[in-house]
Amino acid sequence: AQSVTQPDARVTVSEGASLQLRCKYSYSATPYLFWYVQYPRQGLQLLLKYYSGDPVVQGVNGFEAEFSKSNSSFHLRKASVHWSDSAVYFCAVSYNNRIFFGDGTQLVVKP
Amino acid sequence: GPKVLQIPSHQIIDMGQMVTLNCDPVSNHLYFYWYKQILGQQMEFLVNFYNGKVMEKSKLFKDQFSVERPDGSYFTLKIQPTALEDSAVYFCASSLASASAETLYFGSGTRLTVL
Repeated sequence: AQSVTQPDARVTVSEGASLQLRCKYSYSATPYLFWYVQYPRQGLQLLLKYYSGDPVVQGVNGFEAEFSKSNSSFHLRKASVHWSDSAVYFCAVSYNNRIFFGDGTQLVVKP
Repeated sequence: GPKVLQIPSHQIIDMGQMVTLNCDPVSNHLYFYWYKQILGQQMEFLVNFYNGKVMEKSKLFKDQFSVERPDGSYFTLKIQPTALEDSAVYFCASSLASASAETLYFGSGTRLTVL
């Protein structure tokens, strides 16, 4: 069965530090892959998505993610985080008209 | 960007009552979804809806749940009767095309509290 795993429930980093949020998926083919962000009391907003081609995709606000077929991963990165990046980040996979979300990773950015 | 509006933002009702959650999707979108999120945890798929019909529903979409979008107005989720375990935040989403490749646009959610 398909699944999305975000192994880190919570990540704390200092402002200005680099960031990686991990995501692994299990699916026999290459699905469509997404990262969404959820700020407090808001719905999910798309950060970036991957369909095919260059495995590194650029998103909004300086985020990028790298697809690795060999590792079945789609990790999210940012070179320098800002306090406003504090939120919950969801990795998602999509196929057959369904989207499956991971459990989310709460990012806390310390000043 | 495109906005999905959900009304109300918070609803408190007694167990056994009926509740209707309203969603105003992005105007030219054709696919509509409801997701359930408990205590800020995983977003769980409930149902998707297209062309006036439920396309797919999960096991969380109990018999007490129903959805409709009469005459292109609000896309609604009705729960009748409600149970304590229905307490959650319900998110509506819409997309221009089917979900595999399209971006879903989410509303801010309706927090449902069943007492």
